[in-house]
Amino acid sequence: QKEVEQNSGPLSVPEGAIASLNCTYSDRGSQSFFWYRQYSGKSPELIMSIYSNGDKEDGRFTAQLNKASQYVSLLIRDSQPSDSATYLCAVDTGRRALTFGSGTRLQVQP
Amino acid sequence: SQTIHQWPATLVQPVGSPLSLECTVEGTSNPNLYWYRQAAGRGLQLLFYSVGIGQISSEVPQNLSASRPQDRQFILSSKKLLLSDSGFYLCAWARGEGNLNTFGSGTRLTVV
Repeated sequence: QKEVEQNSGPLSVPEGAIASLNCTYSDRGSQSFFWYRQYSGKSPELIMSIYSNGDKEDGRFTAQLNKASQYVSLLIRDSQPSDSATYLCAVDTGRRALTFGSGTRLQVQP
Repeated sequence: SQTIHQWPATLVQPVGSPLSLECTVEGTSNPNLYWYRQAAGRGLQLLFYSVGIGQISSEVPQNLSASRPQDRQFILSSKKLLLSDSGFYLCAWARGEGNLNTFGSGTRLTVV
């Protein structure tokens, strides 16, 4: 079992729709969770962090965390073609480095 | 503010040649530093991390090595490149007390 699992996609949504990206993790001791966006050929950039159960909203982005289910998600409202990218879920398991999922590729169709 | 510089952006090297990729961080002191590799269509694989000068931890056995000669400088090296060393190499830093990674712009290495 991978430590951080994501569906590789591609996830295809029409422009203006809500994109829902999901991530599960195996280490119950994990405390911090991050979503990175990576455009093709570019380095990942942090877009959301979440530390406690519930929802955290930032503009069109909402991160959701459920530690009991070991599940974290990212919702993108009013999806735009510029949101087309690979989204990486990362988990802080208390080791020296974050553990990354392999990413979900999102395609927003105009 | 903190910035991270990584170079070169792209590199094409023959099999058996040496490698040296450099990463520097500005605007902070005693950062945790990391080297990741990302193969095409794959996730991030942690190669090395460092919590201080001369302190290097290797995550996977491989053909590569890392060094930290100064507090904010991290170098990835190889004596003889293999075809399998091709990939996108990313340097990252985090504050000493946390694991929030900020990435450099990356180096696309192609071994031919």
